[in-house]
Amino acid sequence: EVQLVESGGGLVQPGGSLKLSCVASGFTFRDYWMNWVRQAPGKTMEWIGDIKPDGSNTNYAPSVKNRFTISRDNAKSILYLQMSNMRSDYTATYYCVRESGDGFDYWGQGVMVTVSS
Amino acid sequence: DIQMTQSPASLSASLGETVTIECRASEDIYNGLAWYQQKPGKSPQLLIYNANSLHTGVPSRFSGSGSGTQYSLKINSLQSEDVASYFCQQYYDYPFTFGSGTKLEIK
Repeated sequence: EVQLVESGGGLVQPGGSLKLSCVASGFTFRDYWMNWVRQAPGKTMEWIGDIKPDGSNTNYAPSVKNRFTISRDNAKSILYLQMSNMRSDYTATYYCVRESGDGFDYWGQGVMVTVSS
Repeated sequence: DIQMTQSPASLSASLGETVTIECRASEDIYNGLAWYQQKPGKSPQLLIYNANSLHTGVPSRFSGSGSGTQYSLKINSLQSEDVASYFCQQYYDYPFTFGSGTKLEIK
């Protein structure tokens, strides 16, 4: 069974940093593009970025480029999202998502991040 | 960026009815479109990919159609468990973008 379990969320002050993790199981992690998607309260989804299976290439949404970094550890089947210089509008539930090549076929349960002083 | 315009924002229908949700892309996305269902308090789940292909395990009352810039999701014979929000997403080009969502309720 495919499982994606995010952790590392919480309260962070504006301008602060936070690193999220996503532990993957039930599939061959190193074979898949992986993504981060967020959803602010009551809002639609916003794609943050993705990372190639071997970790050699990443793509980001313009709104987070130069603030967020996606990385992965294929030996441990873990996906990361390093967030820096955070703003209040980054308050959202952050999802780790597997990309099948035909859409996003598995989503984690999500982790809440609140940016507030 | 490709903008995805989704309508309606909310929808109320009776059990057994057929409902349709639309998504319009700001440019041709060559069927690089997915539909997701998100039940209250849950993570989204993939329903349709490549505009008209049913994801594994999804009931056949869900169907997708369209091409170019215009796409739709149809739910036949509405069931109580279909109460959810529905989102379209284009994955044809970066940055991937989502529609604004449709909240479906039962009358």
